[in-house]
Amino acid sequence: DTAVSQTPKYLVTQMGNDKSIKCEQNLGHDTMYWYKQDSKKFLKIMFSYNNKELIINETVPNRFSPKSPDKAHLNLHINSLELGDSAVYFCASSRSGGWTGELFFGEGSRLTVL
Amino acid sequence: AQSVTQPDIHITVSEGASLELRCNYSYGATPYLFWYVQSPGQGLQLLLKYFSGDTLVQGIKGFEAEFKRSQSSFNLRKPSVHWSDAAEYFCAVGGKDTNAGKSTFGDGTTLTVKP
Repeated sequence: DTAVSQTPKYLVTQMGNDKSIKCEQNLGHDTMYWYKQDSKKFLKIMFSYNNKELIINETVPNRFSPKSPDKAHLNLHINSLELGDSAVYFCASSRSGGWTGELFFGEGSRLTVL
Repeated sequence: AQSVTQPDIHITVSEGASLELRCNYSYGATPYLFWYVQSPGQGLQLLLKYFSGDTLVQGIKGFEAEFKRSQSSFNLRKPSVHWSDAAEYFCAVGGKDTNAGKSTFGDGTTLTVKP
């Protein structure tokens, strides 16, 4: 039973297209995150949601729109894809009450924009 | 602002040799410190964490790390490396006063293990 699962694992698409990545966690956590890992493996936070409320929104183009229908799900929609969006996108979750900082990561969704 | 520096981009060690991966952090208050490991094609997994108390913390897979406040360091060590330890290692810093638990990651250290 995967704790944090993302779909799809791989995405190959053309510039200008729109795509979505879905994430679900079954850990009972109430905070979820999107991280972007580039080709040099640098890891940067993009968004964080706590109980469906957006609480962290780093400097990310507004072509990226996260949505959290409930606290177990966090989706990422990307409009008008660009070459520079090619990366691995990781979903993560954590407890927020008595925050311990430990993040639980999904396996990543590798996006390739051609 | 919080930040993490991992000075070594790539380290190669022989199987059975000892390992130390360096991590320096910048944080205005008492930091929470973490080491994560990322195997190829996988997500990150927590190896160990430090919040307070004993400055030497033990983690999974035989790893340990030592918090040195005077040096702003949190170096990861393992006495004897196994081939399966080859992976990417990330140090991260956060704290309970950060914005809803935001952790900042270092740029990672790639560990190669020679047979």
